[in-house]
Amino acid sequence: SQQGEEDPQALSIQEGENATMNCSYKTSINNLQWYRQNSGRGLVHLILIRSNEREKHSGRLRVTLDTSKKSSSLLITASRAADTASYFCATAFSGGYQKVTFGTGTKLQVIP
Amino acid sequence: EAGVTQSPTHLIKTRGQQATLRCSPISGHTSVYWYQQALGLGLQFLLWYDEGEERNRGNFPPRFSGRQFPNYSSELNVNALELEDSALYLCASSLGLAYNEQFFGPGTRLTVL
Repeated sequence: SQQGEEDPQALSIQEGENATMNCSYKTSINNLQWYRQNSGRGLVHLILIRSNEREKHSGRLRVTLDTSKKSSSLLITASRAADTASYFCATAFSGGYQKVTFGTGTKLQVIP
Repeated sequence: EAGVTQSPTHLIKTRGQQATLRCSPISGHTSVYWYQQALGLGLQFLLWYDEGEERNRGNFPPRFSGRQFPNYSSELNVNALELEDSALYLCASSLGLAYNEQFFGPGTRLTVL
């Protein structure tokens, strides 16, 4: 089964609003990463947060990690039409083997 | 610096045929990953190669196979194609460890008729 599950599956907001996406996972992780995918193309890495970090910022992005709840959130502030894309969380763990597992994604639509 | 490249961009095959997809990682990256993304779905991990060796494999039948060459480029082969193999196949590369940031190529769209 998928390690990461994003919520919501789809989100539609007006330009300028904030968008929040959540990711839940099941096992202990080394780090959690967020990626963006524009329609049918390759993924672009946005941000990596390690298991000993609680919050990280990059431009208009803010990521939080709660390892006790096994969840993470991605906040995009002051959204733009260009933010329209699918967003995936990827959990990485190394319990004897290394593996990165992607969630099912949140499809974000930002309406101009 | 060139990013991850994949070829071909599109590939159309008929059921039962074989498909070969190619990936060139970013210079200096030793790890290559392959993912399958069926329409509207998330990424399913296929294979991970590092330093020429297969390091991990996802839940896919043996007709999905690949290899990594001495220059770290990689090939994914899908034998006995089935209709449900139609998907976007994404290749990514990273510096060694699987849980480092992965850099993705644009993908190969495989259509099986």
